[in-house]
Amino acid sequence: DTGVSQNPRHKITKRGQNVTFRCDPISEHNRLYWYRQTLGQGPEFLTYFQNEAQLEKSRLLSDRFSAERPKGSFSTLEIQRTEQGDSAMYLCASSSDRLFGNTIYFGEGSWLTVV
Amino acid sequence: KQEVTQIPAALSVPEGENLVLNCSFTDSAIYNLQWFRQDPGKGLTSLLLIQSSQREQTSGRLNASLDKSSGRSTLYIAASQPGDSATYLCAVRILETSGSRLTFGEGTQLTVNP
Repeated sequence: DTGVSQNPRHKITKRGQNVTFRCDPISEHNRLYWYRQTLGQGPEFLTYFQNEAQLEKSRLLSDRFSAERPKGSFSTLEIQRTEQGDSAMYLCASSSDRLFGNTIYFGEGSWLTVV
Repeated sequence: KQEVTQIPAALSVPEGENLVLNCSFTDSAIYNLQWFRQDPGKGLTSLLLIQSSQREQTSGRLNASLDKSSGRSTLYIAASQPGDSATYLCAVRILETSGSRLTFGEGTQLTVNP
């Protein structure tokens, strides 16, 4: 069990550029989540996949944001035309609805700084 | 809309002290509640998960309780150590037909002084 893996861990980009983050969930987990966290706040839900289907999106996920999970394995979160307000840590998490309790496990996060 | 509040926002205690962190939520129709630990600049580490039908869970020096009817949970840390210094986050999973999102509180920043 290697845990949830996120890449890159840190990204500095200029305003207006596109960025993409990758998440590799725990291998047997069929559910995958993206959250965003700013300093001093708790994480906020962005979107959720069950296998390859994106079942829920938060209103926080503007049309500049897109997430995919092809083949129900890894997932990518792309932010187009980045803005300074996008600076945050982007957290990926996974869980399995086949395991009792359905504990959600988080990765180490990907820090985004938009300058 | 579910709202989660954690009190206090920050807590500083001497090593060895027992302490309690509080979490309250507005909608009692929850599926479960999970406590996490977050070190500065790091991701979240799951500490304890309590199902809605359970009253408490224990892991080592940690004990979490749940009173769903009153919308409250507590995390008890016994014999605190400097290594316990971190931010502790409470999150509830609400009952929904499709999603299973977590709603987080803003956390309690704990400092244990040697």
